[in-house]
Amino acid sequence: IAGITQAPTSQILAAGRRMTLRCTQDMRHNAMYWYRQDLGLGLRLIHYSNTAGTTGKGEVPDGYSVSRANTDDFPLTLASAVPSQTSVYFCASSDGGGAVDTQYFGPGTRLTVL
Amino acid sequence: GQNIDQPTEMTATEGAIVQINCTYQTSGFNGLFWYQQHAGEAPTFLSYNVLDGLEEKGRFSSFLSRSKGYSYLLLKELQMKDSASYLCAGTDSNYQLIWGAGTKLIIKP
Repeated sequence: IAGITQAPTSQILAAGRRMTLRCTQDMRHNAMYWYRQDLGLGLRLIHYSNTAGTTGKGEVPDGYSVSRANTDDFPLTLASAVPSQTSVYFCASSDGGGAVDTQYFGPGTRLTVL
Repeated sequence: GQNIDQPTEMTATEGAIVQINCTYQTSGFNGLFWYQQHAGEAPTFLSYNVLDGLEEKGRFSSFLSRSKGYSYLLLKELQMKDSASYLCAGTDSNYQLIWGAGTKLIIKP
């Protein structure tokens, strides 16, 4: 199945716990992104990767880390979750690594931190 | 600063036409995107404008004026399935997308 998959679909997490959100794409896209979406706010970029082996910080990177060991996978880790990280998280990918390329989104992970 | 502004909510009637406006202020502008997002789902690509003018794609059209920092999405022959949020996104100097908060479009029979 072509596209982007994310796991889990939803998760309730106790504050202070570590959590990794998974993202896998099979389109062989070079660039991948993690966004969070909160009510009344636009999508905000957490981290991005223009190509395997490289990562960069977005608008709201604090409390999150990423890795890009290969082209297909781009996991997002919350080292010690806090309630303000309650959000819907979207992973996206694009072909060329530039913002002029269309980004394609995964179905999202709804995370609640209590 | 960088900013994308669009109305929070709009209401229209099935079969009618609606125009959703977006104003942007970004550094290093390299084009403007429109995405559709149904409730509980992922955003999906609708259009991309980098040059001034109107781009038509079926019932949906998108317009850009770079000099005015302005874009709009025009939806014709509205259908109930068009009820969704419409997200405007511009590019910044780092080639990342800056997103508006989205316009929730409510279609009434």
